[in-house]
Formats: sequence, C-alpha cells, structure tokens
Amino acid sequence: QKEVEQNSGPLSVPEGAIASLNCTYSDRGSQSFFWYRQYSGKSPELIMSIYSNGDKEDGRFTAQLNKASQYVSLLIRDSQPSDSATYLCAVNAGAGSYQLTFGKGTKLSVIP
Amino acid sequence: ETGVTQSPTHLIKTRGQQVTLRCSSQSGHNTVSWYQQALGQGPQFIFQYYREEENGRGNFPPRFSGLQFPNYSSELNVNALELDDSALYLCASSSPGQGTETQYFGPGTRLLVL
Repeated sequence: QKEVEQNSGPLSVPEGAIASLNCTYSDRGSQSFFWYRQYSGKSPELIMSIYSNGDKEDGRFTAQLNKASQYVSLLIRDSQPSDSATYLCAVNAGAGSYQLTFGKGTKLSVIP
Repeated sequence: ETGVTQSPTHLIKTRGQQVTLRCSSQSGHNTVSWYQQALGQGPQFIFQYYREEENGRGNFPPRFSGLQFPNYSSELNVNALELDDSALYLCASSSPGQGTETQYFGPGTRLLVL
C-alpha cells in the first residue's frame, strides 16, 4: 500500500514567519512530487512540482526533495494570512503511472 | 482558474440512486483523473482515462464507472449510492504525452447522499 504521510496540524505561525510543511512517502519508485493548496470548500490548487533532489524556489515558496530519505517539504517565507489553508502533498504512483497519491494534508493558520 | 470545469456543483441524492458527474478538461489535455475527497481527508484516486481508455483504477468498487469522450471530456457514474459516497468529487486534467503529468483540478462536485 503506497502511503503519503503528513502532519495534520494545525500548524500556527505568526505573520511574516517561515512555515515549514513536511511529507514522507513509502514508494521508493515515486518520481514526481507536488504540493497543492486547498482553501476550505474549494478544490486543490497546484503550488509547486519537484522532480529532482534538492531545492526548487518559486517566489515565497521553496520545495525540498530528498529521495534517499523519502522526504519532501514545502517552506513558505514571509507567511501571510492569505496562506492559511490546507496543504496537500501528492506523489505520483511510480514509473509509467500518472496516478497521484495524496497525504491527508496539513492545515496552516497564519496569525496576523 | 485551471480551465477544468465540472457539473453540477452540488448534488443531493438518496441511498440506492445513481448519479452522473461531468468534467471538461483543460484545452489540449487528453487525460482525465477522478478523485474522491471525504471531509478531512486527502483526495483518493478513483480512476484515470487516457484517450478514451481506462488507464488505471484505485481501490473503488465496480459501481464506480467512467467514460471519456473523443473531445476528452469525461463522466463519472456511481450506481447504488451509499451514505459513505458523500464527498467532494474532483476531476483533474493533464497531458502526459506532452512531457508532464501535472494534474490541474476542477472546482469539484459536492455530493450528499441521504
């Protein structure tokens, strides 16, 4: 059973701080990793994708991937109240497959 | 906006009924995936359609079935509805043939089974 684990939170950070969201996955064959943001009552919105070990930065967001440790993280710098949402980690099911396995999500609250 | 549309937005059904949900993929995308998201959970993969053929299925019973049409739009059909089928149903489109499997979600259909 392929699994993706996330701390469900809630994670509370003050406005302007760095929020750190973590995710581990069980399938060593996984090749593609995604972070989605989901506001309450809405559908998931893609924030970042990462495919190679290391860091990938996009504005205030940085995704980090460590395949040896089967670990992927998302850092949000200068957190804003509008970042308050549930963050979903998703992993593709492996070579030749485009199915995504999601974690349960981490709820982030940014306190003004 | 991802360009993925779903209908209807909300639906109320009773146990034992059948339901059909619809999805139009983003322009240029030939793959549609369906997910079920129960309250407080991450989306669970139901199945995927690529060029009108089923291309993988998650751990869902046969009463969940689907179709993809030549214009790449798709339907999800659920027969013999159960209370536990109450969830947000998400459609995602992608285009693996163009070198990326990134999936973009539509707004979802919220189904309530009474």
